[in-house]
Amino acid sequence: GNSVTQMEGPVTLSEEAFLTINCTYTATGYPSLFWYVQYPGEGLQLLLKATKADDKGSNKGFEATYRKETTSFHLEKGSVQVSDSAVYFCALRRSGGYNKLIFGAGTRLAVHP
Amino acid sequence: DGGITQSPKYLFRKEGQNVTLSCEQNLNHDAMYWYRQDPGQGLRLIYYSQIVNDFQKGDIAEGYSVSREKKESFPLTVTSAQKNPTAFYLCASQFVGEGTDTQYFGPGTRLTVL
Repeated sequence: GNSVTQMEGPVTLSEEAFLTINCTYTATGYPSLFWYVQYPGEGLQLLLKATKADDKGSNKGFEATYRKETTSFHLEKGSVQVSDSAVYFCALRRSGGYNKLIFGAGTRLAVHP
Repeated sequence: DGGITQSPKYLFRKEGQNVTLSCEQNLNHDAMYWYRQDPGQGLRLIYYSQIVNDFQKGDIAEGYSVSREKKESFPLTVTSAQKNPTAFYLCASQFVGEGTDTQYFGPGTRLTVL
């Protein structure tokens, strides 16, 4: 079946450190891949997405590349800020048919000054 | 402003009571979804609806019910049959069409059973 696996958190970093949050997936066909961010007490916001292999999604300094050969969509940012502290969810939408999103468990990021 | 609203933000319920969570969107989106979020877990799909007057069960529909009488509204009822209803509930909507695959989320309702 379809599934998403994220690295367990929390991830604790100092401001300006490099961030990587790993995400791997299992899916048939060619899914679309997403990163959503959830700030404390709020709903989810789309951070970036990629719809086909080798696509790179980017937004607000975050990037992720759709790697079909390794079934991965790792999230990276070169220099994190305290305001990036949130929970990050990797998700996939399988190709064709219904638009159901399958989410990973989420990774909490805490950035300290 | 266009968006998705959920109300109330916090909700307390006694055991054995039904409670209804509101979700409204003015984005003219066709599809709407309800998710449940528990600590340390990803979101799990409860129900979804792609058009008015039609809805489908998601992965954890037992103990929940929905209606979709209007395009803008998709209320969720948590019934007394739901054994562990304390959670954060998120509503989402999406435009259905070629090349569209982004779901937009509301701010959530935190339900606590006393």
